[in-house]
Amino acid sequence: DGGITQSPKYLFRKEGQNVTLSCEQNLNHDAMYWYRQDPGQGLRLIYYSQIVNDFQKGDIAEGYSVSREKKESFPLTVTSAQKNPTAFYLCASAHSGQPFSGNTIYFGEGSWLTVV
Amino acid sequence: AQSVSQHNHHVILSEAASLELGCNYSYGGTVNLFWYVQYPGQHLQLLLKYFSGDPLVKGIKGFEAEFIKSKFSFNLRKPSVQWSDTAEYFCAVLGSSNTGKLIFGQGTTLQVKP
Repeated sequence: DGGITQSPKYLFRKEGQNVTLSCEQNLNHDAMYWYRQDPGQGLRLIYYSQIVNDFQKGDIAEGYSVSREKKESFPLTVTSAQKNPTAFYLCASAHSGQPFSGNTIYFGEGSWLTVV
Repeated sequence: AQSVSQHNHHVILSEAASLELGCNYSYGGTVNLFWYVQYPGQHLQLLLKYFSGDPLVKGIKGFEAEFIKSKFSFNLRKPSVQWSDTAEYFCAVLGSSNTGKLIFGQGTTLQVKP
């Protein structure tokens, strides 16, 4: 079945460690996104990529890094510089092009990251 | 910068009650607006969207939303809620740069009591 796969679903990290969250899609979508979801704050955009080998910072990019070496993959690294990394992370993908059609945005199941 | 504001953070209703969730956005140009729903333990799903045309938009599961340009609002409504509507609801607006940057509101948790 086509979709977005995020892994791991649950991850514990010690303070000072970098961790990488995986996001893979087989929908042939050009655009991919990473959001962070915190209670009472909705979804905030961390990074997004409209095309392979290109990505842009979202609203809360500090302490995160991404890469987009392949169309189907958009891994997110939560670095030790991220001061409050405990959160729920959502990956999404969509067709690109103009005008952009929001109805084709698909979300993964999410990854829970807890810093211990 | 664009922003989206949802007025109600937590709403509790009894079954069969009517629902209206507020959503206001800040942007003066052409907007694309969305409502997403996240049921417990499930993916975000698109409820409905507005791009142009009829400002009253019908979505899935009996939901509708009305785009009022003069009020910068896109409120979600349902005449009679069910227990299965218990979920978190997010309003979102497409970023003005048209790069597909979807901006979300803070979310509203709806709890429907049987």
